[in-house]
Amino acid sequence: DVVMTQSPLSLPVTLGQPASISCRSSQSLVHSDGNTYLSWFQQRPGQSPRRLIYKVSNRDSGVPDRFSGSGSGTDFTLKISRVEAEDVGVYYCMQDTHWLFTFGPGTKVDIK
Amino acid sequence: QVQLQESGPGLVKPSGTLSLTCAVSGGSISSRNWWSWVRQPPGKGLEWIGEMHHSGSSNYNPSLKSRVTISIDKSKNQFSLKLTSMTAADTAVYYCARGSDLWGRGTLVTVSS
Repeated sequence: DVVMTQSPLSLPVTLGQPASISCRSSQSLVHSDGNTYLSWFQQRPGQSPRRLIYKVSNRDSGVPDRFSGSGSGTDFTLKISRVEAEDVGVYYCMQDTHWLFTFGPGTKVDIK
Repeated sequence: QVQLQESGPGLVKPSGTLSLTCAVSGGSISSRNWWSWVRQPPGKGLEWIGEMHHSGSSNYNPSLKSRVTISIDKSKNQFSLKLTSMTAADTAVYYCARGSDLWGRGTLVTVSS
């Protein structure tokens, strides 16, 4: 299975300041079709996961543009340009290039 | 818009079988999508259980493969999960999803006598 790691696992942030989460995979996520299937999810307390980003850098409909994704191969990053109170929650990266699809352990974002 | 809603028992006895259904509303289950089940033990991370395409293709988590069946009922526009030989380790919130872009609210399943 592809192992996904994230850092940091806990991220206290100041409102209005930027935040960045790193995600690494144990093998390349480039699919044979040329796409890289790396997604980012937000899970607010008590809610189901919500996909924010797919294929590394594509924002899902309705996702604020303060969220951005980047990276390639095995190294990926989620950035929040200016953290708002509603961004509190756990963020997961996930690969769906190789079956079994796997998630990272999650990064808990809260306000300082 | 498309919505997903899980239903099923909240309590299953050890060694019993879990049966969950995910009703798809606002869209057809025969669209070009994979339909998935993911679970999350209390306070822990997310684990893919498996997925099925309306054509009949499926993928299952190897660690669960001997116990899992996912099926699609086109006439009812829903899909289902069956997980046998349940143990306490299977206690989790179970989510249904359309691929990975749309998720249900999840349902907590506790394994206990």
